[in-house]
Amino acid sequence: ETGVTQTPRHLVMGMTNKKSLKCEQHLGHNAMYWYKQSAKKPLELMFVYNFKEQTENNSVPSRFSPECPNSSHLFLHLHTLQPEDSALYLCASSQGPASNQPQHFGDGTRLSIL
Amino acid sequence: DQQVKQNSPSLSVQEGRISILNCDYTNSMFDYFLWYKKYPAEGPTFLISISSIKDKNEDGRFTVFLNKSAKHLSLHIVPSQPGDSAVYFCAASDKTTSGTYKYIFGTGTRLKVLA
Repeated sequence: ETGVTQTPRHLVMGMTNKKSLKCEQHLGHNAMYWYKQSAKKPLELMFVYNFKEQTENNSVPSRFSPECPNSSHLFLHLHTLQPEDSALYLCASSQGPASNQPQHFGDGTRLSIL
Repeated sequence: DQQVKQNSPSLSVQEGRISILNCDYTNSMFDYFLWYKKYPAEGPTFLISISSIKDKNEDGRFTVFLNKSAKHLSLHIVPSQPGDSAVYFCAASDKTTSGTYKYIFGTGTRLKVLA
């Protein structure tokens, strides 16, 4: 039990579908993150939220739309994805977005785009 | 161009011996470094960290060493155990334009501890 729960664990979708990834943290943290991990590549930061406000968008295409309704929940809405978007999507949280506050990760959603 | 590099994709070590995992970085402004461990089908788990004002941090069997002049850090595991078999990621903390911090990760080293 990591304290960060992601659902679903696996998702297969077509390029025209709309789906959402969900992340919930039970650690009382204020900052939440979305990362993408493609095969043989390092984890790549997508978005950062601090106290529900987006503070970082790492040049992510608009077909990925994050939502943070409160400090415990983070969503990633997916629409019109491309095959190259197939990857492991990881959510993380930390006490704050400071450098010395380790991020705690969920187990990820394995996304496959047909 | 990768700012955090783990040049060894894999490492095998006998149980009981020392495992040394290496990481190099290019940005001298990084001020905090972390190691994460990842088992298959699980997310990365925070292992140990070090601030740039220190050169060593120890936690049980795990020690991280930082050599700022060489822009190099290493993770030592002594003694290595079969349960340590996992992928280890090095990460560096980088300040963003918005004033927050983001982690830059290496590509990972797969450690296999042989019984």
